[in-house]
Amino acid sequence: DTGVSQDPRHKITKRGQNVTFRCDPISEHNRLYWYRQTLGQGPEFLTYFQNEAQLEKSRLLSDRFSAERPKGSFSTLEIQRTEQGDSAMYLCASSWGQETYGYTFGSGTRLTVV
Amino acid sequence: DAKTTQPTSMDCAEGRAANLPCNHSTISGNEYVYWYRQIHSQGPQYIIHGLKNNETNEMASLIITEDRKSSTLILPHATLRDTAVYYCIVKRRMDSNYQLIWGAGTKLIIKP
Repeated sequence: DTGVSQDPRHKITKRGQNVTFRCDPISEHNRLYWYRQTLGQGPEFLTYFQNEAQLEKSRLLSDRFSAERPKGSFSTLEIQRTEQGDSAMYLCASSWGQETYGYTFGSGTRLTVV
Repeated sequence: DAKTTQPTSMDCAEGRAANLPCNHSTISGNEYVYWYRQIHSQGPQYIIHGLKNNETNEMASLIITEDRKSSTLILPHATLRDTAVYYCIVKRRMDSNYQLIWGAGTKLIIKP
């Protein structure tokens, strides 16, 4: 297991298009998180899964955003009708139990909406 | 969760100890201090965390003041690869709230 994988690494899309990102967590981790990060800022929490259940969503997650984690394995984050303000790095992280060693983050997907 | 205050940027000479301060004056008794770093174009990387005792691992040492209102992350022998943004975060380790509140962090530049 090489850690948390995110795909794609970069995505350029036209405003109004839908995009979907994928995250493959560390296989034994039951918790998965999505964060968004804009330039010069720390990551902002979007949503959290424990196994397949989505337990928490940020107010940042508008109706255009949806996340899934079928079967408690990989997760997808979809953004519908993208806007220029959606341009950011989307980070996925996973953890196990009480997060003794913190979260393990992927390298992120950089979205540019033109 | 308590908020944290960190300097915007710091320089350190290669081979010297890098000391990164963090103020968390409103920290509660059951809140932990976590440190992460983010190297350019990568996701954040966990470094260390602690409650009230000083902690050390293979990456760094964490010194927490007795009143727990501030802490210092120490990289004992900084290398050029330690150039990154360092984030200090306070949260309840066993809280159901997983919304880590990240500030802008400290940009640490290691100079040859």
